[in-house]
Amino acid sequence: LAKTTQPISMDSYEGQEVNITCSHNNIATNDYITWYQQFPSQGPRFIIQGYKTKVTNEVASLFIPADRKSSTLSLPRVSLSDTAVYYCLVGVSGNTPLVFGKGTRLSVIA
Amino acid sequence: EAQVTQNPRYLITVTGKKLTVTCSQNMNHEYMSWYRQDPGLGLRQIYYSMNVEVTDKGDVPEGYKVSRKEKRNFPLILESPSPNQTSLYFCASSLSLTGGGIYEQYFGPGTRLTVT
Repeated sequence: LAKTTQPISMDSYEGQEVNITCSHNNIATNDYITWYQQFPSQGPRFIIQGYKTKVTNEVASLFIPADRKSSTLSLPRVSLSDTAVYYCLVGVSGNTPLVFGKGTRLSVIA
Repeated sequence: EAQVTQNPRYLITVTGKKLTVTCSQNMNHEYMSWYRQDPGLGLRQIYYSMNVEVTDKGDVPEGYKVSRKEKRNFPLILESPSPNQTSLYFCASSLSLTGGGIYEQYFGPGTRLTVT
């Protein structure tokens, strides 16, 4: 199982760009990298998924270097409502167990 | 509305009393999964199912059972609950992609279980 490591917590001011890095040294060839956001008392919510290089959607960007041993979730211009726990997930094959990281608690300060 | 529902949302029970947490999705998703969430440990997968009648163990399957008789339902069964199964449980579903991959998982609202 691909194990992931993320920072436990991060703080940021409103309007800043936030980058959260996830380390996954033993990622398998077929594994994708997916990020989820979770607010208290709610289920996680999908943010973005990628395999290599860069993926961008309306809420975030995901940067994956060539060796794929890490990935970085980039949140542009965060607001107070982005305060949440962010999880990195590696291994999006339905044939094997999925392993979430322990999450990064992002606190956005006014 | 596309959603994953779980019942009950809250449950307090005693050690050894069998219980079932139901999970249902209305999106015709092939893939379904159960997770437990504990402070400091993040989300851990208990069981998952690629499709009807196909289930597999996740990272922490001990003490749990599942079944997938219908595509929309994926109940979690605790035959003899113990206090270490006190946790927050989430059910999730997803489309299966070509080649066996899955994409966005939709999570239910969670079931908070306390075993005394």
